[in-house]
Amino acid sequence: EVQLVQSGAEVKKPGESLRISCKGSGYSFTNYWINWVRQMPGKGLEWMGRIDPSDSYTNYSPSFQGHVTISADKSIGTAYLQWSSLEASDTAMYYCARHPVVTPMLHYWGQGTLVTVSS
Amino acid sequence: QSALTQPASVSGSPGQSITISCTGTSSDVGGYNFVSWYQQHPGKAPKLIIYDVSDRPSGVSNRFSGSKSGNTASLTISGLQAEDEADYYCSSFTSSSTLVFGGGTKLTVL
Repeated sequence: EVQLVQSGAEVKKPGESLRISCKGSGYSFTNYWINWVRQMPGKGLEWMGRIDPSDSYTNYSPSFQGHVTISADKSIGTAYLQWSSLEASDTAMYYCARHPVVTPMLHYWGQGTLVTVSS
Repeated sequence: QSALTQPASVSGSPGQSITISCTGTSSDVGGYNFVSWYQQHPGKAPKLIIYDVSDRPSGVSNRFSGSKSGNTASLTISGLQAEDEADYYCSSFTSSSTLVFGGGTKLTVL
């Protein structure tokens, strides 16, 4: 069974750093891109960026480039989304989702990680 | 890159059909047959219901169908059911090798 299991909810203060994770199982991790999607409270889905775990090549949305870093460790089948300095506006639910090389359909999604940034 | 344009809300009665539009540009929707649609119920992760403009993943009801004309893609739900009440999002691949979502459409089943 294909699964993407994300790390648990986080509560952080502005200026702190954070890394959340997304562990894939039930498939060949390096055959699918991992994407990260933000959903702010009561708002829509926003595509943040993606990584090809086979070589760690990344694409970012211009809206998120420079503010977050996407990485992956193919040896343990896990992708990461990290911030070096959180802001209150980073409060949101973050989802990982995978798509095959041939088409950008986000077929399998993680359960989401809620990040709350508050002083 | 700007979000794709969707109506904020649509509604329909059980048994009816509704269509949700998703308008982009020649650099995204119009340029590639990589439009997907997602259904999201409150508090849940999104679910893929249409990919590559008009294909359905295994297990998705054939009441859901997709199409595209020019820079506008459409999702049609026929035979509306109460369980279809949810938020719907389109997405497209772009010329920058990124993805972009629409703003989302809230479907109300009357």
